Amino acid sequence: AQKVTQAQTEISVVEKEDVTLDCVYETRDTTYYLFWYKQPPSGELVFLIRRNSFDEQNEISGRYSWNFQKSTSSFNFTITASQVVDSAVYFCALSEAVNYGGSQGNLIFGKGTKLSVKP
Amino acid sequence: KAGVTQTPRYLIKTRGQQVTLSCSPISGHRSVSWYQQTPGQGLQFLFEYFSETQRNKGNFPGRFSGRQFSNSRSEMNVSTLELGDSALYLCASSTQGTGELFFGEGSRLTVL
Repeated sequence: AQKVTQAQTEISVVEKEDVTLDCVYETRDTTYYLFWYKQPPSGELVFLIRRNSFDEQNEISGRYSWNFQKSTSSFNFTITASQVVDSAVYFCALSEAVNYGGSQGNLIFGKGTKLSVKP
Repeated sequence: KAGVTQTPRYLIKTRGQQVTLSCSPISGHRSVSWYQQTPGQGLQFLFEYFSETQRNKGNFPGRFSGRQFSNSRSEMNVSTLELGDSALYLCASSTQGTGELFFGEGSRLTVL
């Protein structure tokens, strides 16, 4: 069965600190996708990144970076120099491979990590 | 480009009633998925529709149903409401093949 574990329920940091959000997943599929979403207080989940199981290259986007390691089934997310606007709940998610005609809307979400960045 | 629109945003019902929630996807998106979010269970997949056909269904009782119209707009219905159905119901749309979901702000249902 597929499963996503975000062991950190809540994290509190002071602005400008770096913070890493952990994500560990379980799947028997050899082809799958991993995602990170951000949920601000408004409730709308915002897509941050998608990574397929064949691409283990780390990715950096501004202050955000992601470390994907298949050997440890982890897909961690780091925010560098955190800002108050980064305060939100962050979800890691897993889905089976997206094929034409196949399911793509069935994401398995972790329970989320609530990040609070204080000024 | 307009985002995913969900209506109503908030609603209060009593046990035994039924409720219908609506979702208008981003223009051009043909896939619509629904999720239930509760503090205890987190985000759970309800169902997914593509071109008016239910493509996948989560592990929810038959009281939860949905449909998609020819214009890709979708509705979900919950009949015989229970207290445990109180949740934020999120709709997401996507284009075929990307796997990237665009979420609406949700419909917050309170069952008294």
